[in-house]
Amino acid sequence: EVQLLESGGGLVQPGGSLRLSCAASGFTFSSYAMRWVRQAPGKGLQWVSVISNSGGSTYYADSVKGRFTISRDNSENTLYLQMNSLRAEDTAVYYCARDRSFDSSGYYYVGNDYWGQGTLVTVSS
Amino acid sequence: DIQMTQSPSSLSASVGDRVTITCRASQSISNFLNWYHQKPGKAPKLLIYAASSLRSGVPSRFSGSGSGTEFTLTISSLQPEDFATYYCQQSYSTPMHTFGQGTKLEIK
Repeated sequence: EVQLLESGGGLVQPGGSLRLSCAASGFTFSSYAMRWVRQAPGKGLQWVSVISNSGGSTYYADSVKGRFTISRDNSENTLYLQMNSLRAEDTAVYYCARDRSFDSSGYYYVGNDYWGQGTLVTVSS
Repeated sequence: DIQMTQSPSSLSASVGDRVTITCRASQSISNFLNWYHQKPGKAPKLLIYAASSLRSGVPSRFSGSGSGTEFTLTISSLQPEDFATYYCQQSYSTPMHTFGQGTKLEIK
């Protein structure tokens, strides 16, 4: 059974740092790109960052570029998000999600087929 | 960035109703469009990929259509467990997959 389990959320002051973890099990972690998606209280979904299966390529939303760093340890089946210089607007539930490629009519389409339960990050003084 | 806009933002319907949710992209995304639903306090769940392909295990009352810039999600006969918030997501501009703002489907 595929499982993703986030941890590391909590209350942090503006300007502070936090490191989120996502422990993966039930699949070959090193075969899949992974991403972080966040949801501010009462708001919609926003992609935050993506990392390739090898960790060699990373991407960030403009709102977090230069402040957040995504990484992974394929030997430990764990995804990370290092969050620095946190702002009030970073307050959200952070989900990790697996990127899955679906083959349809000879093309490949990426969707997020498994998600963690989410971890709440609150940035407040 | 590709902007995704859903309509309506909220919708009231009854069990057994047929409902349709629309998603529009700010530029053509071919059929690189996913649909999710999310219940309160839970993670989103993938329903449809490639605009119209049903993920394995998803009930056949869900269907998707569209290409280019306009897409629809239809639920043919609403069940109690379908009341949730629905999101579209483009996967054309990979890997920067942006979501629509969501459509909250409520019980009338």
